[in-house]
Amino acid sequence: QSALTQPPSASGSPGQSVTISCTGTSSDVGGYNYVSWYQQHPGKAPKLMIYEVSKRPSGVPDRFSGSKSGNTASLTVSGLQAEDEADYYCSSYAGSNNFVFGTGTKVTVL
Amino acid sequence: QLQLQESGPGLVKPSETLSLTCTVSGGSISSSSYYWAWIRQPPGKGLEWIGSIYYSGSTYYNPSLNSRVTISLDTSRNQFSLKLSSVPAADTAVYYCARASSSSRPNFDYWGQGTLVTVSS
Repeated sequence: QSALTQPPSASGSPGQSVTISCTGTSSDVGGYNYVSWYQQHPGKAPKLMIYEVSKRPSGVPDRFSGSKSGNTASLTVSGLQAEDEADYYCSSYAGSNNFVFGTGTKVTVL
Repeated sequence: QLQLQESGPGLVKPSETLSLTCTVSGGSISSSSYYWAWIRQPPGKGLEWIGSIYYSGSTYYNPSLNSRVTISLDTSRNQFSLKLSSVPAADTAVYYCARASSSSRPNFDYWGQGTLVTVSS
């Protein structure tokens, strides 16, 4: 299984929105509504931000939203704040009890 | 509050076996509601799922590592472990243990802080 494809970087000014894509295949992203998104600050463990495409765990601001179309999932961060600057990774179920992560996107708040 | 903590050697020689343990506190690994996973991240690179284990002992491994990986449970100590055999330098990474709510949903909601393992002679 190959890593899901994400853009290396994305950026936006405070208050703006940024959208990150996560492209896979019909065997992973396109085949299941089991896509998660993780935020990772430098030197820290990843934090679950979105699960099952668009659901938010308790405590995650509603500025974070997820969606999916075909083989591509997306994470949108609205109303960008300085603390949103981090690396973001998508993950998908890939069948047969396997998971695959994305290549990661560095979000910069300008 | 659930907490996970990785432990084990920080340096392993090439061709030897990497062994790590994850100690879970604030919850039981014998719960039928959760799976327990190992995920790694080479320096400056992305995340890679290594494998997961259920309280029953059922295991699921990344096909690319399947022949070298063993994940096991020690319910008496509330721990689960990772063994990765015949390690090359490319296995140098921060290794995380994590909890998931399903074998088919990548909902890793609790993570350890991670431990760096360097493979070098």
